[in-house]
Amino acid sequence: DAGVIQSPRHEVTEMGQEVTLRCKPISGHNSLFWYRQTMMRGLELLIYFNNNVPIDDSGMPEDRFSAKMPNASFSTLKIQPSEPRDSAVYFCASRERGRSANYGYTFGSGTRLTVV
Amino acid sequence: GQNIDQPTEMTATEGAIVQINCTYQTSGFNGLFWYQQHAGEAPTFLSYNVLDGLEEKGRFSSFLSRSKGYSYLLLKELQMKDSASYLCAPHPGGSYIPTFGRGTSLIVHP
Repeated sequence: DAGVIQSPRHEVTEMGQEVTLRCKPISGHNSLFWYRQTMMRGLELLIYFNNNVPIDDSGMPEDRFSAKMPNASFSTLKIQPSEPRDSAVYFCASRERGRSANYGYTFGSGTRLTVV
Repeated sequence: GQNIDQPTEMTATEGAIVQINCTYQTSGFNGLFWYQQHAGEAPTFLSYNVLDGLEEKGRFSSFLSRSKGYSYLLLKELQMKDSASYLCAPHPGGSYIPTFGRGTSLIVHP
């Protein structure tokens, strides 16, 4: 199993540009989560999906952020327009819904976003 | 809402034992995760506690007291590779979504 795959690993962009982060969950996992990690705020949940349907997006900072999951094997997190304060590491995680929590969540390697 | 309190940083000596404490306040409670995160890497799952008591898994053990809103992660026979951030993550009632604390940065020195 290749695990949760995120791309790109690093992204540097100028303020005002659109940024799209991508995630491929583990095959068979039907819950997908987007997290953002900064030194100041730690690891924050932005949004999660069950069976491709967004369940809770209350963590999305503002309307500049949007996330989609068009099918079970792909999700995107888009920031438009990007701002310097969006600089962070963005993690995608997945789990098999209904499976015992003893198996935890599997995280991707993250995308380090720098907005200049 | 959720409040999670962990020490920001701890140091310990190789071969020693260290205990990382976590106190939390959540809206209801289902269980608590511990994750390990090495610098520049993704968090990886260590343990999950739902009942009171100690869960042992090799060199790592995790303890939970639901009534006290308290957990700890115990690391024995510390190795240099244990230098990492350790994240306490309770998840509230009605949800299996963990809320992460800011983590404890553990530095193991020779």
